[in-house]
Amino acid sequence: QVQLVESGGGVVQPGSSLRVSCVASGFTLSSRVMHWVRQAPGKGLEWVAGISNDGSNEHYPDSVKGRFTISRDNSKDTLYLEMNSLRNEDTALYYCAREGGSSGKAPYFDYWGRGTLVTVSS
Amino acid sequence: DIQMTQSPSTLSASVGDSVTITCRASQSISSWVAWYQQKPGKAPKLLIYKASTLQSGVPSRFSGSGSGTEFILTISSLQPDDSATYYCHHYNTYPITFGQGTRLEIK
Repeated sequence: QVQLVESGGGVVQPGSSLRVSCVASGFTLSSRVMHWVRQAPGKGLEWVAGISNDGSNEHYPDSVKGRFTISRDNSKDTLYLEMNSLRNEDTALYYCAREGGSSGKAPYFDYWGRGTLVTVSS
Repeated sequence: DIQMTQSPSTLSASVGDSVTITCRASQSISSWVAWYQQKPGKAPKLLIYKASTLQSGVPSRFSGSGSGTEFILTISSLQPDDSATYYCHHYNTYPITFGQGTRLEIK
């Protein structure tokens, strides 16, 4: 069955960098557009990045554009999120999510991992 | 950016009741809305996409309707397991945004 397993979260200081990963199994990663969605403690959901099947196209909201970079290694069935210049407000549970379908412009998500917690604090 | 305004923020109902949750988009988004269920400590689960299409494996007690700017999630014959937070999400275009969530309590 489809599984997405995130890792790499931790406690970091403001201004620092962190890379989180997501290993996919149960499907061929290269066949799917993939995304990261985060959830601050006790808060709602916020989409933070998306990447095309082959890694040639990326999308970000303004809140993270220029600081976060999504990438993938299909040979390793792994999705990444590199986060730089981290801020207190980036503290959240970061979910890896698989695109289930789209409007032709943007996706909905059919499978999610369990998340990895990133805490930005001095 | 398209904003999704979800209401109510909390809801309390009894087993066997029916409830509705509404999401309003700040501009027309055709039928490009999905609904998710999230239980505490768990990842969101897709319930409905394209406003009214039920995801495989989701009970038929869940239904969605709407188009344009107003969308409704209806849960009929409430079960104790339906206690969760529900989110709408538009995917008309980037950036994707979610509603603020509706916490459903089963009395």
